[in-house]
Amino acid sequence: EDQVTQSPEALRLQEGESSSLNCSYTVSGLRGLFWYRQDPGKGPEFLFTLYSAGEEKEKERLKATLTKKESFLHITAPKPEDSATYLCAVQASGGSYIPTFGRGTSLIVHP
Amino acid sequence: GAGVSQSPRYKVAKRGQDVALRCDPISGHVSLFWYQQALGQGPEFLTYFQNEAQLDKSGLPSDRFFAERPEGSVSTLKIQRTQQEDSAVYLCASSLAAGPYEQYFGPGTRLTVT
Repeated sequence: EDQVTQSPEALRLQEGESSSLNCSYTVSGLRGLFWYRQDPGKGPEFLFTLYSAGEEKEKERLKATLTKKESFLHITAPKPEDSATYLCAVQASGGSYIPTFGRGTSLIVHP
Repeated sequence: GAGVSQSPRYKVAKRGQDVALRCDPISGHVSLFWYQQALGQGPEFLTYFQNEAQLDKSGLPSDRFFAERPEGSVSTLKIQRTQQEDSAVYLCASSLAAGPYEQYFGPGTRLTVT
């Protein structure tokens, strides 16, 4: 069974204080790993897709990296508007296209 | 541009009532997913359509839950004889095709069963 574990569950940062969120996964074979951002009362918003170990993607203050067992979402010099829940999901290789989501990391950035 | 829309945004139902939740995916998107999200949890898979075909419904919690997408576009999730444990946010997502493509989510329908 595919498993996704995100840590920490909650993270509080001061504005400008860089940090990383972790997503550990167990799948029989990885088709893709996805990062989403979810604001309160809204649906998740797509950020990145990573396909293979060693791959990295960046968008503004966010950088996602991937190894064979985990992914990190690095946040550089965060701003209050980066406050949200960050969700990780994996899609396993094989016939199913159904992603498995983690429980998310709730990030609060204080000004 | 037009994203995924869901209606109603909020629904309060008395225990035992039937409800219908609607999802309008992005035009041209082949794949459509329904998820259930409890507070503080990630989305939990309910069912998946590719065009009008329901390819997987393994996540539906009971036979009170039913979903359809008759013309391969709009989808409806129906819950019969609602129970308190059905209270949650129901999310719909669409993606361009089957495969490792990102999903675009609607805002969700918050269902409260009293």
